[in-house]
Amino acid sequence: RKEVEQDPGPFNVPEGATVAFNCTYSNSASQSFFWYRQDCRKEPKLLMSVYSSGNEDGRFTAQLNRASQYISLLIRDSKLSDSATYLCVVNNPSNTGKLIFGQGTTLQVKP
Amino acid sequence: DAGVIQSPRHEVTEMGQEVTLRCKPISGHDYLFWYRQTMMRGLELLIYFNNNVPIDDSGMPEDRFSAKMPNASFSTLKIQPSEPRDSAVYFCASSLAHGVGVGTQYFGPGTRLTVL
Repeated sequence: RKEVEQDPGPFNVPEGATVAFNCTYSNSASQSFFWYRQDCRKEPKLLMSVYSSGNEDGRFTAQLNRASQYISLLIRDSKLSDSATYLCVVNNPSNTGKLIFGQGTTLQVKP
Repeated sequence: DAGVIQSPRHEVTEMGQEVTLRCKPISGHDYLFWYRQTMMRGLELLIYFNNNVPIDDSGMPEDRFSAKMPNASFSTLKIQPSEPRDSAVYFCASSLAHGVGVGTQYFGPGTRLTVL
């Protein structure tokens, strides 16, 4: 089983749609969770951290379910500029500083 | 802050040649990471350093790959000899060990390597 698993997609949605990405992780001792965004031919960039209570940043909402070892990202009112690959990221509790990246979910928002 | 700086941005070389990739982390960061990304394998961690000391090099594919961090502001990843299957984008990233934003990794723009 992969340490971090994501549906690779692609997700093709129209502008204005709401889309949700899910991710599962294997190590129950993980404590830090993130979503990164990677545009085509660019480096990954932090989109948002994920907190136990859930958190929102504008149109983006992240949720964490520790019991199910499940992380989600919800994007409301999708924009063309949201088209990118979204990487689910979890810390490695055995190696301080090390992050484990999922393979990414590709989103294509169409006019 | 300038962010993580990598050079060169693009490198095209022939099989058998030595390739050296360079990275300058964000000033004050304690960790430095080298990743490789391909369509087939995604983002793979090759090696990382804490305070200039290599901590985990289990991702380095083989002896042809080596990395050094002689000081807090500079690291190199060397491939000798290079092979076509080494063609990929190589990212360097850095992060803090303590304080606000601990654990968040900041990536450089990457070096796109093509080995012919």
